[in-house]
Amino acid sequence: GQSLEQPSEVTAVEGAIVQINCTYQTSGFYGLSWYQQHDGGAPTFLSYNALDGLEETGRFSSFLSRSDSYGYLLLQELQMKDSASYFCAVRDGATNKLIFGTGTLLAVQP
Amino acid sequence: ETGVTQTPRHLVMGMTNKKSLKCEQHLGHNAMYWYKQSAKKPLELMFVYNFKEQTENNSVPSRFSPECPNSSHLFLHLHTLQPEDSALYLCASSQEEGQGDSPLHFGNGTRLTVT
Repeated sequence: GQSLEQPSEVTAVEGAIVQINCTYQTSGFYGLSWYQQHDGGAPTFLSYNALDGLEETGRFSSFLSRSDSYGYLLLQELQMKDSASYFCAVRDGATNKLIFGTGTLLAVQP
Repeated sequence: ETGVTQTPRHLVMGMTNKKSLKCEQHLGHNAMYWYKQSAKKPLELMFVYNFKEQTENNSVPSRFSPECPNSSHLFLHLHTLQPEDSALYLCASSQEEGQGDSPLHFGNGTRLTVT
């Protein structure tokens, strides 16, 4: 079957670094994406990895290991505004549809 | 105005009512989507339209009926819903369906409560 696993909640303090992991199981694979959703808001696209390695965009980085069916989102220099839910998503190779994880609620504390 | 706009933001309806959700995108995209978001569950893909043609109906009950009159507008017609249909309904668009590096742009959603 198709599934994505990510932690349900993570708590960290301002200025810290936090890593949100995502493992996936799909029939075929076309890339791993990350989305951020603030409470009451729209999910917004953060990053996309099609190949192995680390992609850096400002304070956020995303990593992919296709051989391990694993990726993570790394958030550095955490700010209060980073408190949100973070979803990993994988494009399934068989259906070409984007499948989302259940999301990780990140709480950044002062 | 830019982005993806959904109306209404909130909707309360009885099980015998008929209502419609509206979505409009100003991004020039060719694919539009309806997703259902329930607490503690992954985003569930409901319908996909690519160049105004429906390409996905993800086993959605017939009480949900989509309509895509053009590439910029998408509707979700609702009738005889059940309380378990209460959720956040998100509209999204992308340049084309199925492009790996083509991200989804979401609207703020319609919070639906069925009483």
